[in-house]
Amino acid sequence: GENVEQHPSTLSVQEGDSAVIKCTYSDSASNYFPWYKQELGKRPQLIIDIRSNVGEKKDQRIAVTLNKTAKHFSLHITETQPEDSAVYFCAASKTGNQFYFGTGTSLTVIP
Amino acid sequence: DVKVTQSSRYLVKRTGEKVFLECVQDMDHENMFWYRQDPGLGLRLIYFSYDVKMKEKGDIPEGYSVSREKKERFSLILESASTNQTSMYLCASSLRRGNQPQHFGDGTRLSIL
Repeated sequence: GENVEQHPSTLSVQEGDSAVIKCTYSDSASNYFPWYKQELGKRPQLIIDIRSNVGEKKDQRIAVTLNKTAKHFSLHITETQPEDSAVYFCAASKTGNQFYFGTGTSLTVIP
Repeated sequence: DVKVTQSSRYLVKRTGEKVFLECVQDMDHENMFWYRQDPGLGLRLIYFSYDVKMKEKGDIPEGYSVSREKKERFSLILESASTNQTSMYLCASSLRRGNQPQHFGDGTRLSIL
């Protein structure tokens, strides 16, 4: 089955700096890669996703890049704000019926 | 907006009890999922269902079963609860066509004493 690894497990940045979280996957057939944000005590919520026919996608301060050859994808958050503090999960899927999640990155933005 | 509702936010049960966790979604999604979330382990799939009365094992199905009698409802059953099943349980749903994002419920924090 698919194996998704996520790094780092914890990340602290100063407000206004950028944050980057990286994930690798093992199954070259995976073709859909969502990112979820989970604030303390709340449900995971989709923040951005990318499909394998696209190399990069951006939504305001958030961007995701995908390198299919190297089988890795990354989340980039620019101009970080305290409300960006949360746990972020990457995931990979090839069928949409089964998703494989990374172990999460706890991001702290220091004011 | 998609609404995925889990019946309980917090639940305390005793070892050996049969435990039912209920999940309801209101967006006519074909797929429904049950995950277990533990610190440092991320989200691990217990079971998923792509249609009424259909179910597929995920990565950690041992000690669990599921039921999907209606499209909107997906139940997770702990046949005989054990202390190592103390965890946060998350339900999710998604459309079946192509790759579609999952929508999660608020989770049930289950403690087995």
